[in-house]
Amino acid sequence: QVTLKESGPVLVKPTETLTLTCTVSGFSLSNARMGVSWIRQPPGKALEWLAHIFSNDEKSYSTSLKSRLTISKDTSKSQVVLTMTNMDPVDTATYYCARIGDYGGSMIPFDYWGQGTLVTVSS
Amino acid sequence: QSVLTQPPSASGTPGQRVTISCSGSSSNIGSNYVYWYQQLPGTAPKLLIYRNNQRPSGVPDRFSGSKSGTSASLAISGLRSEDEADYYCAAWDDSLSGFWVFGGGTKLTVL
Repeated sequence: QVTLKESGPVLVKPTETLTLTCTVSGFSLSNARMGVSWIRQPPGKALEWLAHIFSNDEKSYSTSLKSRLTISKDTSKSQVVLTMTNMDPVDTATYYCARIGDYGGSMIPFDYWGQGTLVTVSS
Repeated sequence: QSVLTQPPSASGTPGQRVTISCSGSSSNIGSNYVYWYQQLPGTAPKLLIYRNNQRPSGVPDRFSGSKSGTSASLAISGLRSEDEADYYCAAWDDSLSGFWVFGGGTKLTVL
């Protein structure tokens, strides 16, 4: 079955760089038009899309956070990595990775989600 | 401030029908599919509706979606206590180089 699992630090200091890893199973990152997104949710607030990467290495970023984000993948390890630079307390949130599924050539975004990982930014 | 606008709250009694609206613009809802997600307390969101009005396998037919112009709606009929959750709409936005946008979420309370 399809699963995604986020991993990374639970606590980072202001100005540090956050690195999160999403390890997937049940599908391959090399499948045509399959992708993975990162989405975050501050405590008690709404979902915010951050970035996505597709099997062909096509990438897209949130316009407001683009300068701070980098997304990459390691197909052999079934992992997608997100880095966010210059962390600030307002970046405290649960960070989710979610699959963008390919259904016979049609894309369905965020059809499977990881459980999320809470990252707190504090000195 | 979310790009897609949803009412912050909605409520209904068991058995009732409730609707949740999602308003956008020509660059997102007006030209792309709308998706809906249900987030039960303390859990990750779950896909509820895709391509405006399609239900994934396992989603009860009490849930339905529609879209008209730059707005969309999620309807829940035969409301049940387990439907109490946050609901989010989402769409691709064609502005600039393109990006996904979410609504601000609607907290549904079953009275």
